[in-house]
Amino acid sequence: NAGVMQNPRHLVRRRGQEARLRCSPVKGHSHVYWYRQLPEEGLKFMVYLQKENIIDESGMPKERFSAEFPKEGPSILRIQQVVRGDSAAYFCASSPSGTYGYTFGSGTRLTVV
Amino acid sequence: GESVGLHLPTLSVQEGDNSIINCAYSNSASDYFIWYKQESGKGPQFIIDIRSNMDKRQGQRVTVLLNKTVKHLSLQIAATQPGDSAVYFCAETSNTGNQFYFGTGTSLTVIP
Repeated sequence: NAGVMQNPRHLVRRRGQEARLRCSPVKGHSHVYWYRQLPEEGLKFMVYLQKENIIDESGMPKERFSAEFPKEGPSILRIQQVVRGDSAAYFCASSPSGTYGYTFGSGTRLTVV
Repeated sequence: GESVGLHLPTLSVQEGDNSIINCAYSNSASDYFIWYKQESGKGPQFIIDIRSNMDKRQGQRVTVLLNKTVKHLSLQIAATQPGDSAVYFCAETSNTGNQFYFGTGTSLTVIP
């Protein structure tokens, strides 16, 4: 059983470019969560999705950030026109039902230069 | 060794000693708590969880204690080993919640 798969593991973007982060949940999990972690800080919730639906995006910045979880394929976190402050580790978690049975991926480390 | 979360974010212990990592949570409505271990360059790894109807839960070498009166959670690691070196986070949520709220973490270093 594969766990949560995130790719790429490392992503370098220049200021103004777009970053696309992918997350494939554990097989059978229909709930996906994205978190951001700044250096030496805890994880901060960004968005919660189920297939084709955004359930809670209260942690997402209002501009430049979007997320989707299509019927087929991985969940995508998209950051447009990246700035240096977007440099962080982005973690995806999945669960079969709500917040019970959460499993985290290994994260994507985004560096904006 | 013992830490007090935000006030002492690092903890060093001798191999074989017991470790205690503390966490204060803020939301009295939280009813489910998890301790996570995060090694450098990796994602959070589940260690142990506890629901608010319990005040103690034991796993293999780990024990979580929950004091709802003072909103305090602790993780005890018995016979700490070098492989236990990592950052430890407590996380809280509620039955109706859509997310976990993470503490800032405590860095545990085990000295061989």
